[in-house]
Amino acid sequence: NAGVTQTPKFQVLKTGQSMTLQCAQDMNHEYMSWYRQDPGMGLRLIHYSVGAGITDQGEVPNGYNVSRSTTEDFPLRLLSAAPSQTSVYFCASSYGRFTIYYGYTFGSGTRLTVV
Amino acid sequence: AQSVSQHNHHVILSEAASLELGCNYSYGGTVNLFWYVQYPGQHLQLLLKYFSGDPLVKGIKGFEAEFIKSKFSFNLRKPSVQWSDTAEYFCAVTSGGGADGLTFGKGTHLIIQP
Repeated sequence: NAGVTQTPKFQVLKTGQSMTLQCAQDMNHEYMSWYRQDPGMGLRLIHYSVGAGITDQGEVPNGYNVSRSTTEDFPLRLLSAAPSQTSVYFCASSYGRFTIYYGYTFGSGTRLTVV
Repeated sequence: AQSVSQHNHHVILSEAASLELGCNYSYGGTVNLFWYVQYPGQHLQLLLKYFSGDPLVKGIKGFEAEFIKSKFSFNLRKPSVQWSDTAEYFCAVTSGGGADGLTFGKGTHLIIQP
């Protein structure tokens, strides 16, 4: 049982490049979400999903796209990276209607630097 | 929209001191509240949660929190801290059963001096 797996752990991009941050969970969780963590800002919600084929925007969605074609995977795409997207990105998942009992499980994060 | 406010951004304590970290949320409906901890270089781990019932909840590692609905607060406490409690602590709230993710406070950086 691997939990929530994020890849890569570290990435350096040049401004304007695109990339996909991968997130996979093996717990059959319905809910998944992406957050970015910046110093002094806490974690802010980028996008979230309540199931395969269903996604919605969070607090800071600009510059990011997501899709959820399977229950297990929830990739985050940066179409044209900007220095303002330098951050640590966390993926999280939860048991759907049991979220309030168990909370969200977080991945280990991807540290992204855009130069 | 909901929001979470954590009063102390940096806290420095000596070992064996008592700890209380403040958390206030703004949302008029039913909420579920969480405290997460992030040890240096690691991902977030759930400390404790409140969803209903007894407003005093106990979590892992000796932490507890009290939900006071009239004050919109969910403060984290520990009677006697240890050096290993050095970490970042985040209060978070969700409504609607958690479908739309978590709203986090900005975090409190706790340093425990030996």
